[in-house]
Amino acid sequence: GQQVMQIPQYQHVQEGEDFTTYCNSSTTLSNIQWYKQRPGGHPVFLIQLVKSGEVKKQKRLTFQFGEAKKNSSLHITATQTTDVGTYFCAGPRGGNTGKLIFGQGTTLQVKP
Amino acid sequence: GAGVSQSPSNKVTEKGKDVELRCDPISGHTALYWYRQSLGQGLEFLIYFQGNSAPDKSGLPSDRFSAERTGGSVSTLTIQRTQQEDSAVYLCASSLIGAAKNIQYFGAGTRLSVL
Repeated sequence: GQQVMQIPQYQHVQEGEDFTTYCNSSTTLSNIQWYKQRPGGHPVFLIQLVKSGEVKKQKRLTFQFGEAKKNSSLHITATQTTDVGTYFCAGPRGGNTGKLIFGQGTTLQVKP
Repeated sequence: GAGVSQSPSNKVTEKGKDVELRCDPISGHTALYWYRQSLGQGLEFLIYFQGNSAPDKSGLPSDRFSAERTGGSVSTLTIQRTQQEDSAVYLCASSLIGAAKNIQYFGAGTRLSVL
């Protein structure tokens, strides 16, 4: 069945270092969404990518959607302690109903 | 309301008891989704509502799980005869309509602990 995989599962970085998480889908996606979940919190929408090869930036966060629309990445430049949390990618789970299939998430720890 | 509201925030129950989890979506959102998140895991899709109908119940893990939505608004997820493996955070999300490009807004979740 359809799968969305994320690597790495965990990442510990020193504050100021860069961080990247990768998302790979077993199927071509019409779009991909990224969510952030702070410790003890709930997922919060960050961004959606729709076009092949699309790159979007939000301050220190850079999101990419692969040419084949099967993979994506999130890169954080110069991490800060406020970046701590779990980052999930999610793609449409079949059809056009809004159901999402989530990756397992990458948990980022930032040491001050 | 301003956001998706879930209640209770925490629920501790004994094995074998039934529990009801409530979700109040953002006003005007016609699509509602239930997910389950086990400790340190991703989100597992359970059920999707468009209005009051549930076109997709494929994610429900067993027939002990059921959900309903009334008035196109509040939804209740019921777990009968709870088991320890049901312990997880149950998250509800809503979106304006059920479409692949629509953003989902999540509630804070209900943390269910089955003893």
